[in-house]
Amino acid sequence: GQNIDQPTEMTATEGAIVQINCTYQTSGFNGLFWYQQHAGEAPTFLSYNVLDGLEEKGRFSSFLSRSKGYSYLLLKELQMKDSASYLCASFEAGNTPLVFGKGTRLSVIA
Amino acid sequence: SAVISQKPSRDICQRGTSLTIQCQVDSQVTMMFWYRQQPGQSLTLIATANQGSEATYESGFVIDKFPISRPNLTFSTLTVSNMSPEDSSIYLCSVKILPHEQFFGPGTRLTVL
Repeated sequence: GQNIDQPTEMTATEGAIVQINCTYQTSGFNGLFWYQQHAGEAPTFLSYNVLDGLEEKGRFSSFLSRSKGYSYLLLKELQMKDSASYLCASFEAGNTPLVFGKGTRLSVIA
Repeated sequence: SAVISQKPSRDICQRGTSLTIQCQVDSQVTMMFWYRQQPGQSLTLIATANQGSEATYESGFVIDKFPISRPNLTFSTLTVSNMSPEDSSIYLCSVKILPHEQFFGPGTRLTVL
């Protein structure tokens, strides 16, 4: 089975940097995903990590440590439109579906 | 990537009735899944829709309540049977193209009165 844990809510200021953490315990591990979901919309893919280290994509970066069962999503230069839920997800094997954490609701304030 | 459409986008239903949700993908995909997202919650996997065989259900979900069809590699349906207010959720179709690529449909927002 899989257990994925992330904070429920976070608040950050426009223009700042925020780090959303995710810890996971899985019987098999093939990668760690981050999705963004705005209220009333479907989740959209942000990043995928399978090897240890940092993956950078513009204002968003994602980090993975397989030995620690730990990942984080880093959002820089926060904008109001970044207010959304951020979902951490993993899968056990290539043909298995993603299992999601409970999501972190991020509020960006002026 | 894959373009996924769902019908209906939303519905309001009476207790005890059933609703069938359709999922159409613009390309053939082997792996297709159905998720549920209850208000304020994250996504919970209901089942894997298998083409040509019975769906594989996750713990807590049964075929009698959530029958699934998968007649071909581009289409699937999920039926929510004998609905109760607790079934009010967003139901999302999802496909996996490659191990590291999983996409979601726009969702069907169901309200049961």
